[in-house]
Amino acid sequence: DIQMTQSPSSLSASIGDRVTITCRASQDISNHLAWYQQKPGRVPKLLIYGASTLFSGVPFRFRGSQSGTEFTLTIDSLQPEDVATYYCQKYSVTPRTFGPGTKVEVK
Amino acid sequence: QVQLQQESGPGLVKPSETLSLTCTVSGGSVITGSYYWTWIRQPPGKGLEWLGYIYFDGTTSYTPSLRGRVTISLDVAKNQFSLKLNSVTPADTAVYYCAKDSFGVVTLWGQGSLVTVSP
Repeated sequence: DIQMTQSPSSLSASIGDRVTITCRASQDISNHLAWYQQKPGRVPKLLIYGASTLFSGVPFRFRGSQSGTEFTLTIDSLQPEDVATYYCQKYSVTPRTFGPGTKVEVK
Repeated sequence: QVQLQQESGPGLVKPSETLSLTCTVSGGSVITGSYYWTWIRQPPGKGLEWLGYIYFDGTTSYTPSLRGRVTISLDVAKNQFSLKLNSVTPADTAVYYCAKDSFGVVTLWGQGSLVTVSP
């Protein structure tokens, strides 16, 4: 099975900072990578699919990019409401594995 | 607009027994739209684990770690899909989410059901 890793596992940043989260796939998954946001005590929400396509209603400060099997989620200007855990998920083939998550906190 | 409603289900299941959960789909049919009706779980304080799906045509796919213990089924008459996980252990304690997977990504989640496995 294709393994998904994420780094860092957690980070703390100031409001207005640019935040970058990396997800790596152990094999080629094309651009079949999604990012989800899960706020504390809430249901996850889709942010990005196809590695870089913003899902409907998601703020433009969220960006996704890809370089080979390395994928990046960028929050251009961190806002208080962005405090959450972020998960990547590959969907090229089953199982549709999630990464272990990155917890984002505000300093 | 499609919505997913998870039944409360048994919050507590004894070890070695079967966990059963059902998700009711409203605002659309489970056999139209080419959707993958999916189950995902999240142990307390941990990450998301994809369990498997059933396609609108009845095709299923399961995570290898649970293969043999997990079954996902469709009830077209009731417009529902269900999860059964047998021989549960405390490691199966989690919030279980039903979800609608569109072209590979989850675009809609149920509200989640906490199932605790304990004697």
